[in-house]
Amino acid sequence: SQKIEQNSEALNIQEGKTATLTCNYTNYSPAYLQWYRQDPGRGPVFLLLIRENEKEKRKERLKVTFDTTLKQSLFHITASQPADSATYLCAPGGSYIPTFGRGTSLIVHP
Amino acid sequence: GAVVSQHPSRVICKSGTSVKIECRSLDFQATTMFWYRQFPKKSLMLMATSNEGSKATYEQGVEKDKFLINHASLTLSTLTVTSAHPEDSSFYICSASNRDRGEETQYFGPGTRLLVL
Repeated sequence: SQKIEQNSEALNIQEGKTATLTCNYTNYSPAYLQWYRQDPGRGPVFLLLIRENEKEKRKERLKVTFDTTLKQSLFHITASQPADSATYLCAPGGSYIPTFGRGTSLIVHP
Repeated sequence: GAVVSQHPSRVICKSGTSVKIECRSLDFQATTMFWYRQFPKKSLMLMATSNEGSKATYEQGVEKDKFLINHASLTLSTLTVTSAHPEDSSFYICSASNRDRGEETQYFGPGTRLLVL
């Protein structure tokens, strides 16, 4: 069955450092992959989409990579800030039913 | 970007009553909307897929008579929790699907916190 794995443990980093979150998927061949941010008590917010033929995508301080061989996507936040603290969800796309990883909680300490 | 609203944002009701939650896509038409339930510190759990003008498709284990879904227009879907019980207390989130260049992006509502006493 299709499976999405994200680090279940929270990622704690110091302000100014680069945060790297991992999303691994199995039994999938997604045409694209999306990353969302979710704050407590709120619905997820779309951040970035990367297609299978793109190795890397950037948006301001965000960078996403997509390795279809490793079946993995990495999500980077450079120069992290306490305001970046949230849960980040990955979602391989291309199928009719959206499927999300359980998310990784990022905590940026001042 | 696309905006999805949900109403109410928070509701407290007595056990045995029914609660209706509305999900609206404000600036785009969504032929498909999704309803999720989320428990604290857990991932989104897809409950059902709502298609405009047709019956919703429920995920396994979700009671369709308990969670009534109506997708009356391209911008509105409603979820009614019937005869609510304390175990129905949860965070309910809807999303609307927007297809652009063959890629579907989910735009989420802000969620509805339901507490059944």
